[in-house]
Amino acid sequence: NAGVTQTPKFQVLKTGQSMTLQCAQDMNHNSMYWYRQDPGMGLRLIYYSASEGTTDKGEVPNGYNVSRLNKREFSLRLESAAPSQTSVYFCASVGQGAQFYGYTFGSGTRLTVV
Amino acid sequence: AQSVTQLGSHVSVSEGALVLLRCNYSSSVPPYLFWYVQYPNQGLQLLLKYTTGATLVKGINGFEAEFKKSETSFHLTKPSAHMSDAAEYFCAVSYGGATNKLIFGTGTLLAVQP
Repeated sequence: NAGVTQTPKFQVLKTGQSMTLQCAQDMNHNSMYWYRQDPGMGLRLIYYSASEGTTDKGEVPNGYNVSRLNKREFSLRLESAAPSQTSVYFCASVGQGAQFYGYTFGSGTRLTVV
Repeated sequence: AQSVTQLGSHVSVSEGALVLLRCNYSSSVPPYLFWYVQYPNQGLQLLLKYTTGATLVKGINGFEAEFKKSETSFHLTKPSAHMSDAAEYFCAVSYGGATNKLIFGTGTLLAVQP
């Protein structure tokens, strides 16, 4: 099925633990994004990759790192998880000129840090 | 910085009543405009988008939105609310270019009363 696949769907971490959220798209899109969603704050951009080989900070990058492994995959890493990182994380992608078709979102990862 | 404002974090309507969800953007350059819907514990679904051309855009589930450049607005409407419309709605803008970043409003939670 064409689209954006995120893993895992749910995760509970202890404070200080690390983990990597995985995202893969099979639509040959150039640009990929990581957002976090918190109540009352909408979706905020953490990091993005405009094209393979490039990554840039978004609105809320502190505490996160990313890797654009290849054109398909864009991972988000929490090196030392904090309770403030409890959130729902969404990955999205869009192709060149594909803003006419909208952005495609994954189904999300619900992360709880205790 | 470019931003999106959604007036009213919570909107309640009666079944059969008009739905009006407000969205304004801050830019002198017309952006690409999107409305997304999120049902409880689900991901984001594209309702409709404006890129170029006709300023009145029709989307899925009977929703439509009108781009008004003079008012920098893109309000979402539906003539008659249905119980199944209860969800959170997000307005978002993109200015295209090399990064194609999608900027979200903080969301409006729509409740539909029987």
